[in-house]
Amino acid sequence: TQLLEQSPQFLSIQEGENLTVYCNSSSVFSSLQWYRQEPGEGPVLLVTVVTGGEVKKLKRLTFQFGDARKDSSLHITAAQPGDTGLYLCAGEDYNQGGKLIFGQGTELSVKP
Amino acid sequence: DADVTQTPRNRITKTGKRIMLECSQTKGHDRMYWYRQDPGLGLRLIYYSFDVKDINKGEISDGYSVSRQAQAKFSLSLESAIPNQTALYFCATSGLAGGGSYNEQFFGPGTRLTVL
Repeated sequence: TQLLEQSPQFLSIQEGENLTVYCNSSSVFSSLQWYRQEPGEGPVLLVTVVTGGEVKKLKRLTFQFGDARKDSSLHITAAQPGDTGLYLCAGEDYNQGGKLIFGQGTELSVKP
Repeated sequence: DADVTQTPRNRITKTGKRIMLECSQTKGHDRMYWYRQDPGLGLRLIYYSFDVKDINKGEISDGYSVSRQAQAKFSLSLESAIPNQTALYFCATSGLAGGGSYNEQFFGPGTRLTVL
């Protein structure tokens, strides 16, 4: 059974601070997706990383895929209250038709 | 208009009742999924369908059934609802991206189901 461990589960920081969220697994994934979810809404895809060692940037968010494609991180620089939400990582097993294995999620709260 | 829609958005029901949650999509994707979300557990896969004739159980299918009425429609049923099925339910579709090298999933807005 593939598992994806996401940490931390909760994070409360002040505006302007930096933070990193981690997703780790013993399994190799063909791609790793990061989603953001706001209360009362469905998850929204932020980015997909595919190649081992890949780094993608989305404004103040930096996503990295581990060299072995077993882990990933999301780093937010100078967090803002608008970054508040639930962040989910999900690993794709392409050989299983694109099914996603989700981490438990990180509940981020950025206080003004 | 939203690409993936779910009805109802909220539902309160009683133990033992049959409930159907519906999902429609306009993305033209063959693949559709049903998940449930519980606090601290992330999203868990209930059922998935790769096309109209291909339906598969996910990790937590007990107590649930599905129907794929058309490429664009995928419904989830709780035959006899029980309180521990209280959760957020999400429908998703997926399609190939990156020149066909991976799939990306797109989610509906969710249904909040409460079973009393």
